[in-house]
Amino acid sequence: GQSLEQPSEVTAVEGAIVQINCTYQTSGFYGLSWYQQHDGGAPTFLSYNALDGLEETGRFSSFLSRSDSYGYLLLQELQMKDSASYFCAVPGTASKLTFGTGTRLQVTL
Amino acid sequence: DARVTQTPRHKVTEMGQEVTMRCQPILGHNTVFWYRQTMMQGLELLAYFRNRAPLDDSGMPKDRFSAEMPDATLATLKIQPSEPRDSAVYFCASGLAPGQGGYEQYFGPGTRLTVT
Repeated sequence: GQSLEQPSEVTAVEGAIVQINCTYQTSGFYGLSWYQQHDGGAPTFLSYNALDGLEETGRFSSFLSRSDSYGYLLLQELQMKDSASYFCAVPGTASKLTFGTGTRLQVTL
Repeated sequence: DARVTQTPRHKVTEMGQEVTMRCQPILGHNTVFWYRQTMMQGLELLAYFRNRAPLDDSGMPKDRFSAEMPDATLATLKIQPSEPRDSAVYFCASGLAPGQGGYEQYFGPGTRLTVT
């Protein structure tokens, strides 16, 4: 089976940097994905890491350490619009995704 | 731009009624997923298809749920009979197979189902 753990909530100030961690246990590992979901909206893809290291896409970066079964999403220069839930997910066979429970990020002034 | 569409966006129905949700995947995507999201259970995979063939529906209550892809442009999820515990947001997502770089899933806007 597969399981993923994330903090349930994180609060940060506008303009700051925040890191959302994810630890996983999987029977087979293909990579770690991150999705963003605003209240009332649908999940949208942010990033995918198949290999160890840091992937940067604008203000967002994602890191993976396969030996530690650990990854994180790093959000820089936080904006109010970044307030959302963030899910890590691991694809299984046939690209089937198992999602973590999600981290609710609240950005304050 | 290409996007996954779902209908209806909202559905309120009484317990015991049949509910059918429809999804049009992005043209060219060969993998279609159905998810259910609730506060208690989070995002759960119900079923998914590759090239219209069901690959896995183990997440779905078989006695009342059924999923089909009558053609490449339409996926359906049916609940019969519906129960209050089925109240949730149902998402359809589409993507490509892993061998085609299919690690990204594109989600539709969801169907918010309320069963009273």
